[in-house]
Formats: sequence, structure tokens, C-alpha cells
Amino acid sequence: DQQVKQNSPSLSVQEGRISILNCDYTNSMFDYFLWYKKYPAEGPTFLISISSIKDKNEDGRFTVFLNKSAKHLSLHIVPSQPGDSAVYFCAASFTGNQFYFGTGTSLTVIP
Amino acid sequence: NAGVTQTPKFRVLKTGQSMTLLCAQDMNHEYMYWYRQDPGMGLRLIHYSVGEGTTAKGEVPDGYNVSRLKKQNFLLGLESAAPSQTSVYFCASSYRVAANYGYTFGSGTRLTVV
Repeated sequence: DQQVKQNSPSLSVQEGRISILNCDYTNSMFDYFLWYKKYPAEGPTFLISISSIKDKNEDGRFTVFLNKSAKHLSLHIVPSQPGDSAVYFCAASFTGNQFYFGTGTSLTVIP
Repeated sequence: NAGVTQTPKFRVLKTGQSMTLLCAQDMNHEYMYWYRQDPGMGLRLIHYSVGEGTTAKGEVPDGYNVSRLKKQNFLLGLESAAPSQTSVYFCASSYRVAANYGYTFGSGTRLTVV
């Protein structure tokens, strides 16, 4: 049973606009959340994290929002760039070490 | 700085054959992990290790064994390969608290079992 869900398999956005990637989880015990970016034929690379004591974390163009009551997190990329085109995975953990991953959302940024 | 290196990158096995996937990291990370990625399933944790000489089961451990004899290496073994083990395998490593900095992943091993 998938504990972390990314219900949008793909997303297309114009360059310069905002990209919003969504993630839902089912287990209220999750306390740590990560976002990864993956290019074809490469391993995922870490983007940004958030813990349950926060509702927002920013790093440059990337912002992650956490809504614990809704068991929902989102990744905002502003402004979107063609190099952001990749598959994005969200991941959640109880312990901060063993993470459960979503199925990924493929983002295409159109020049 | 090589990071996490996986060997081999590609492999085709016949059903019933055995093989070992090697993962090596040069970042002095304590924790190491093996994940598999299948279409529509995301990444699922097979086994992990919290230090040299220790291993533990993840979500999908059946059909796999692991060993961590040295801190920098984490081996994943398939004793008798099955077509259901066709997948892309990723090794990762992290500091003690991965939540702050995430995992560092290798580039993956694409395994096909025929």
C-alpha cells in the first residue's frame, strides 16, 4: 500500500512561471519530508527538506510547504527554468533515515 | 569526489543465476541503503545498514541478502534471480540523520532477469 502518493504523473509549465508539485501521505506519524530531483540515467539528487515542526522551508527558487492536518506537502519552483525538467520525488520518514518515496511527477518546463 | 559508485551499471541474468551488486561511498557516511525502482511504484527500500557490520530489512527484502563488512561498501546479493527482480537498483548513503541533508544516491544498476 503506497504511503506516499504523487497523483500527478506529469506537469508542463512555461519557462518563468511557477511549478507546483504535490504530494500526499497517509501516515500521520511521518515527521520528516524530502524532495528529490531525478534526470534520466542518473540517481535522484536531494533538493530540499522539511520537518513537521515547520510549515515552510525555502532554498533559492525552491520552497516546500507542509500541511500536516491535510497530510499534504507541495514543492514550488519559481521561476521555472528548462533545466528544472526532470522527475521529482517526494519522500517521508518516521525516523529521519528510512524514507518512503512517492511514484514521482515528471516536470517539463517549456522554453 | 566520486560520491556513491555502483557496479555494474547494467546486467542481464538468467532465472536462477546469482549476482552481487557493489556499492561504494567515499563520504564516510554511516548509513547505507539499497532501493529498487519499478514503473508506477516509486523507490522501495530493500535493506539498509546503520554501520559497519550491521544490516536490517526494509520494505521489500525477500530474495535479497546484504553485507557491510567495510564502512564504505554495501553489497546486495541475489542468490537465485527471478523475473520479478527485474528493476533499477539504487544505492544511497547518508549521515546519521538523513532528514537534514538527504541521501546521496548512486547512478543505478539496471538489472534484467530473463
